[in-house]
Amino acid sequence: EIVLTQSPGTLSLSPGERATLSCRASQSFAGSYLAWYQQKPGQAPRLLIYAASSRATGIPDRFSGSGSGTDFTLTISRLEPEDFAVYYCQQSGTSPHTFGQGTKLEIK
Amino acid sequence: EVQLLESGGGLVQPGGSLRLSCAASGFTFSSYAMSWVRQAPGKGLEWVSAISGTGVTTYHADSVKGRFTISRDNSKNTLYLQMNSLRAEDTALYYCAKHWSARVDTATDYWGQGTLVTVSS
Repeated sequence: EIVLTQSPGTLSLSPGERATLSCRASQSFAGSYLAWYQQKPGQAPRLLIYAASSRATGIPDRFSGSGSGTDFTLTISRLEPEDFAVYYCQQSGTSPHTFGQGTKLEIK
Repeated sequence: EVQLLESGGGLVQPGGSLRLSCAASGFTFSSYAMSWVRQAPGKGLEWVSAISGTGVTTYHADSVKGRFTISRDNSKNTLYLQMNSLRAEDTALYYCAKHWSARVDTATDYWGQGTLVTVSS
């Protein structure tokens, strides 16, 4: 099983700042199988990034993804108030399709 | 517009069974893989099961293997999760999610709002 470890657990930032979220895998896999999701309270998750760096339909360009092998990053260039949420990474290349434990992005 | 509507959740005793359904609309159902993902109260996301567009390929998490079965009826545009031998730790909100291709090794681009399963005596 590929274990995904996200850091930090909680990130406290202010609107307008840059956010960098990390997702580290226990073993290497192709970036084409790495996705990032955003979840707000009481809502279903929303796909932000697929294949490590491709933005999903309708996702603003302040969201970007990068990385390969075992280290992946989600960057939000300038935080908007609506970006404060929990973010999850997931790999779908090998069963089980594991999620990271999540990073909570909160307003400082 | 893609819509995924889960149903079938509820309160069940330990050892009991439930069948979840996910009615899909707004896309060619048979052309896309589907998954079930759950979220225990206040916890993170846990992938449960996935099925290819044809239904030939299925995968299950170790925590549910032998107890849960994912299936689909492409003539009815419906995804199912048969859950047997339920345990307290299966209590969660169960989401149905559509992949963006027929293959299960792709990301999920649409999610339903979930159906709540509570396992308790």
